[in-house]
Amino acid sequence: QVQLQESGPGLVKPSETLSLTCTVSGYSISSAYYWGWIRQPPGKGLEWIGSIDRSGSTYFNPSLKRRVTLIMDKSLNQFFLNFNNVTTVDTAVYFCARWARSDWYKGRFDHWGQGAQVTVSS
Amino acid sequence: DIQMTQSPSSLSASVGDRVTIICRASQSVADFLNWYQQQPGKAPKLLIHSASILQSGVPSRFSGSGSGTDFSLTISGLQPEDFATYYCQHSYTTLITFGGGTTIEIK
Repeated sequence: QVQLQESGPGLVKPSETLSLTCTVSGYSISSAYYWGWIRQPPGKGLEWIGSIDRSGSTYFNPSLKRRVTLIMDKSLNQFFLNFNNVTTVDTAVYFCARWARSDWYKGRFDHWGQGAQVTVSS
Repeated sequence: DIQMTQSPSSLSASVGDRVTIICRASQSVADFLNWYQQQPGKAPKLLIHSASILQSGVPSRFSGSGSGTDFSLTISGLQPEDFATYYCQHSYTTLITFGGGTTIEIK
């Protein structure tokens, strides 16, 4: 079955770059679909960050776009989030997920990773 | 941006109850509306997509309806594992957004 697993440092200093990896098993990210990142600050709701497909096509939340980079390594079946110049408000659980459609929008996230807690603190 | 508003933000219910959660979009999203369940400390789980289509493996006590701007999620016969937070999410535009969530608590 499709599984996703986030990994990365749990603590990042303010102004530094948050880097997370999502490792996918049970499905080749080269095949189809978009692959996305979503975050959830403590005690709050879900916020979509951005998504990438096998061709490198990306979509971003405009409120975060200038700080986000998404990359994919098809040989490793992984995709990556780089989020620069973080502040304490970026403290959140970060989820990676599969978007069950080859076109961005008009779809849904059907498989999710368990989430990675990232704390921004000096 | 399309804003998604859920009501209520929380509710108390008992095992066996029928509960309905409302999600309203600030403009039409046709039927591009998904529902997720999130249990504490866990990832969200897709329950319903395209407003009313039950995701594979999800119990039939969950149902969704609506189109345009008004949607609902109904749980017919709450089970102990259903006490969780539920989110709606539209996918009508390239900027997808989630509702603020509805938490179902045990009465």
